[in-house]
Amino acid sequence: DTGVSQNPRHKITKRGQNVTFRCDPISEHNRLYWYRQTLGQGPEFLTYFQNEAQLEKSRLLSDRFSAERPKGSFSTLEIQRTEQGDSAMYLCASSGHQGFGTEAFFGQGTRLTVV
Amino acid sequence: QKEVEQNSGPLSVPEGAIASLNCTYSDRGSQSFFWYRQYSGKSPELIMFIYSNGDKEDGRFTAQLNKASQYVSLLIRDSQPSDSATYLCAVNPGNQFYFGTGTSLTVIP
Repeated sequence: DTGVSQNPRHKITKRGQNVTFRCDPISEHNRLYWYRQTLGQGPEFLTYFQNEAQLEKSRLLSDRFSAERPKGSFSTLEIQRTEQGDSAMYLCASSGHQGFGTEAFFGQGTRLTVV
Repeated sequence: QKEVEQNSGPLSVPEGAIASLNCTYSDRGSQSFFWYRQYSGKSPELIMFIYSNGDKEDGRFTAQLNKASQYVSLLIRDSQPSDSATYLCAVNPGNQFYFGTGTSLTVIP
């Protein structure tokens, strides 16, 4: 296992279309996070899972965004009816322990462009 | 008030000098602190983490934590041009990671 894997690396979509991204975490990690990053900003929290349970979701996250982590393994992030403001780098990270403390490792990211 | 504050820079240092990056955080309950390096167009890469007050050294990098002052710093000794990147400070009070906006560092050969 070489790390967190995200697919696709790049996605260009037309406004109004739905898109889905996939994240495969480091295999022994039970926590999985989704972040969004725009130019000049730090990563912005979207949601996180502990095993298959979605424990927290950002209040800023619109209802068009949904995430799943069936069986506590890979995760998907879906954006419905995309808007130009959704254009960003979508980052997935995983970490290994419950509670605070353990460092998180990021995947390569999926760069979304909505045209 | 943002949870994590960083000076966005840019910070420029000559090759071989010490680069000093600073970060403050608002949640006194935070227990773990991280520094990530991010090259342009790439994802963040973990370079240091610290949990206890004081200094932690790893090669050319030293992280410093002062919980009373809610302050974290990163020192990079013998800076190299390859250290030119954006450095993100992150804090985890127990659930998610809160990130600063990052400090852009340029090491001038």
